[in-house]
Amino acid sequence: EVQLVQSGAEVKKPGESLKISCMGSGYNFAASWIAWVRQMPGKGLEWMGIIYPGDSDARYSPSIQGHFTISADKSISATYLQWSSLEASDTALYYCARLSPYGGSFDYWGQGTLVTVSS
Amino acid sequence: QSALTQPASVSGSPGQSITISCTGTSSDVGSYNLVSWYQLHPGKAPKFMIYEDNKRPSGVSTRFSGSRSGNTASLTISGLQAEDEADYYCCSYAGSTTYVFGTGTTVTVL
Repeated sequence: EVQLVQSGAEVKKPGESLKISCMGSGYNFAASWIAWVRQMPGKGLEWMGIIYPGDSDARYSPSIQGHFTISADKSISATYLQWSSLEASDTALYYCARLSPYGGSFDYWGQGTLVTVSS
Repeated sequence: QSALTQPASVSGSPGQSITISCTGTSSDVGSYNLVSWYQLHPGKAPKFMIYEDNKRPSGVSTRFSGSRSGNTASLTISGLQAEDEADYYCCSYAGSTTYVFGTGTTVTVL
């Protein structure tokens, strides 16, 4: 069974760093793209970026890139979303999602990681 | 890369059919047969409902159907049921392994 399991909720202060994770199982993790999607409070889903764990090729949304980094460690079937200096506007629910091997859609999703940034 | 445009809300009575539109551009929706749809219930992860414009994954009710014409995709829910009350998002491939979501639509069953 395909599963994506995300790390737990985080509460951080502005300026702090953070790395959240998404662990995959039940399929060839290295061979499927994993995307990160955010949902800010009261807002819709936003596609942030995507990574191919096999070679760590990452692509970012032109609209919201620059403030975070997506990485992967295929040896432990993990992808990561990290910030070096959080801002209050990073407060959101973050999902990872697998790009279907058939392309063009996200067939399995993690349970979400709530990140709260507040002083 | 702007979000795809969806109506903020759509409502219908049980048994009726409703359609949610998703309008993009010739750089995303209009260029690829790769619009997908997701259902979000509060507190739950998104559920994959439609892929490649009009294909249903295994296990998704046949009451859900998708279509696309030009830069606009649509999700139709027929035989509306109380359990269909949720937020719905479209998503389109936008080239160079990037994607864009729609603004989201809240479906209310009256």
